[in-house]
Amino acid sequence: GAVVSQHPSWVICKSGTSVKIECRSLDFQATTMFWYRQFPKQSLMLMATSNEGSKATYEQGVEKDKFLINHASLTLSTLTVTSAHPEDSSFYICSARSPGTPGSNYGYTFGSGTRLTVV
Amino acid sequence: AQSVTQLGSHVSVSEGALVLLRCNYSSSVPPYLFWYVQYPNQGLQLLLKYTSAATLVKGINGFEAEFKKSETSFHLTKPSAHMSDAAEYFCAVSEVRDDKIIFGKGTRLHILP
Repeated sequence: GAVVSQHPSWVICKSGTSVKIECRSLDFQATTMFWYRQFPKQSLMLMATSNEGSKATYEQGVEKDKFLINHASLTLSTLTVTSAHPEDSSFYICSARSPGTPGSNYGYTFGSGTRLTVV
Repeated sequence: AQSVTQLGSHVSVSEGALVLLRCNYSSSVPPYLFWYVQYPNQGLQLLLKYTSAATLVKGINGFEAEFKKSETSFHLTKPSAHMSDAAEYFCAVSEVRDDKIIFGKGTRLHILP
């Protein structure tokens, strides 16, 4: 089945530094990927929609200069948290539109998430 | 804009008892509806989805959900709870096929021995 690999699974960084999170579709091409943020014991909040070869579409209230998204190929989207601060600490999850047969896992496949801690 | 409301942030059931997790949606067009499960520090796994075919949708691990347009609901059920079902469950909606999906706040399911 469709697999989305997200890396790293966890990262600790110092305040003021930048962190890059990768989201790869391993066995299919993903023209569109989505980035979510999840605070502890809360739901997933959509941050942006990443389209291959074009600019990402950010949700209202998400700082595009803070959260840089690049979708340079059909199998890779990256989220860079720039000048990270403790309030950016969160669980970040990507997902990709996945192919397949209706009734199976067709639609969306999620990565396993990245726990970011900014100290 | 579409949205989902999950009633009850925490639900506790005894092992072997019926599981019922409630989800109501709001959408201006016929929606696509999903249920996902999340275990601690992990991504999401799709349990089932409704895509305008059969209103009773069967998913993995014995879960099923029924789409009721008149009630704008998509409640998740399982006849007999297992300890391994303890997790966070999210209902989600999309108004356009393959477009972004919006999640509810989630329901933490606790299984009592």
